[in-house]
Amino acid sequence: DARVTQTPRHKVTEMGQEVTMRCQPILGHNTVFWYRQTMMQGLELLAYFRNRAPLDDSGMPKDRFSAEMPDATLATLKIQPSEPRDSAVYFCASVLGLENSPLHFGNGTRLTVT
Amino acid sequence: AQSVTQPDIHITVSEGASLELRCNYSYGATPYLFWYVQSPGQGLQLLLKYFSGDTLVQGIKGFEAEFKRSQSSFNLRKPSVHWSDAAEYFCAVGVGEKLTFGTGTRLTIIP
Repeated sequence: DARVTQTPRHKVTEMGQEVTMRCQPILGHNTVFWYRQTMMQGLELLAYFRNRAPLDDSGMPKDRFSAEMPDATLATLKIQPSEPRDSAVYFCASVLGLENSPLHFGNGTRLTVT
Repeated sequence: AQSVTQPDIHITVSEGASLELRCNYSYGATPYLFWYVQSPGQGLQLLLKYFSGDTLVQGIKGFEAEFKRSQSSFNLRKPSVHWSDAAEYFCAVGVGEKLTFGTGTRLTIIP
């Protein structure tokens, strides 16, 4: 059963440190999304890529967040410097890229910034 | 812009009882609608989707949902819940490849 794989599952770091989260989309899926989930805001779309090219990163704080797809099998989300308000669960999801196809989610990275 | 409202933050249901989770959407055209379920510590799993055609759609795990254009609703139902259905449920509206999610409804099952 194909899955989206996210690493690490949990990350605890101190304020000011750099955090890198990784995502391996399902093989053959050409569109990758990053979502952030918090109690207060729910699920927010941060950024997404199609064929490794960024299409929309308007949901992402530009000054500290960056998202990339170095290759078709890896997407990264980086926060530098991290802040306590970044504490959340970050989900990656991938899809084949057909309009309104269902997303396949990873199990998330739970980030705690102290 | 599209939006989704799930008016119930938390619902408690007895095992074996019926279930209905509410979802209202706002979108100018024919919506593409989804229900996802999230178990603790897990990602979201697709339960069912509506694109067009029959307004009653069947999903996995015995769930169904009915699209009512006149009410802008897409409520999720199950005739008899099981303890394993305890989870968080999210309704979403799709525009192109992007999904907008509701805030979720947490379902608790009591014996």
